[in-house]
Amino acid sequence: GENVEQHPSTLSVQEGDSAVIKCTYSDSASNYFPWYKQELGKRPQLIIDIRSNVGEKKDQRIAVTLNKTAKHFSLHITETQPEDSAVYFCAASPSDTGRRALTFGSGTRLQVQP
Amino acid sequence: SQTIHQWPATLVQPVGSPLSLECTVEGTSNPNLYWYRQAAGRGLQLLFYSVGIGQISSEVPQNLSASRPQDRQFILSSKKLLLSDSGFYLCAWSVMGVIINGYTFGSGTRLTVV
Repeated sequence: GENVEQHPSTLSVQEGDSAVIKCTYSDSASNYFPWYKQELGKRPQLIIDIRSNVGEKKDQRIAVTLNKTAKHFSLHITETQPEDSAVYFCAASPSDTGRRALTFGSGTRLQVQP
Repeated sequence: SQTIHQWPATLVQPVGSPLSLECTVEGTSNPNLYWYRQAAGRGLQLLFYSVGIGQISSEVPQNLSASRPQDRQFILSSKKLLLSDSGFYLCAWSVMGVIINGYTFGSGTRLTVV
């Protein structure tokens, strides 16, 4: 089945710096890659996603890039703010004929120092 | 608009006691439904998912079970809880379809087995 690796497990940056979180996946047929943000004690919330027919997607300070050949995708946060501090999860969908569930990475705890 | 309800929010149960967590979705039909567990400081582990009434797929063999008695209701159960069942349980739904879209998570149940 699908396996998603996520790095780093923790990331500390200064306010205003950029943060990059990277994920790799194993199933070359995966075609949907969302990113979730989970604040302490709260539910994960979708912040951005990308499909396999697109190489990059941007939403204000957040961007995601996808390299299907290398089977990796990354989350980029620019001009980080203290409220960006949270745990971030990447995920990958199965192929259309596979199991109908996302496989998540192990998470990255991002700390933005004011 | 679609909403997902999950209850209870917190639960403290003794070892060996039964468990029943309920999740309901409003505003959509034929959703895919999911149960995930998150151990403290860890990632999201898929427990069960369902693509229709009475259709349950189990990801991890353990002392938990799931049922979907109605289209928009998903129940997680156990006959006898173990200490290792402690964690943050999250229900989620996604639009039924060939390609998985992002999940929407419920607010979660924090279960402590004592």
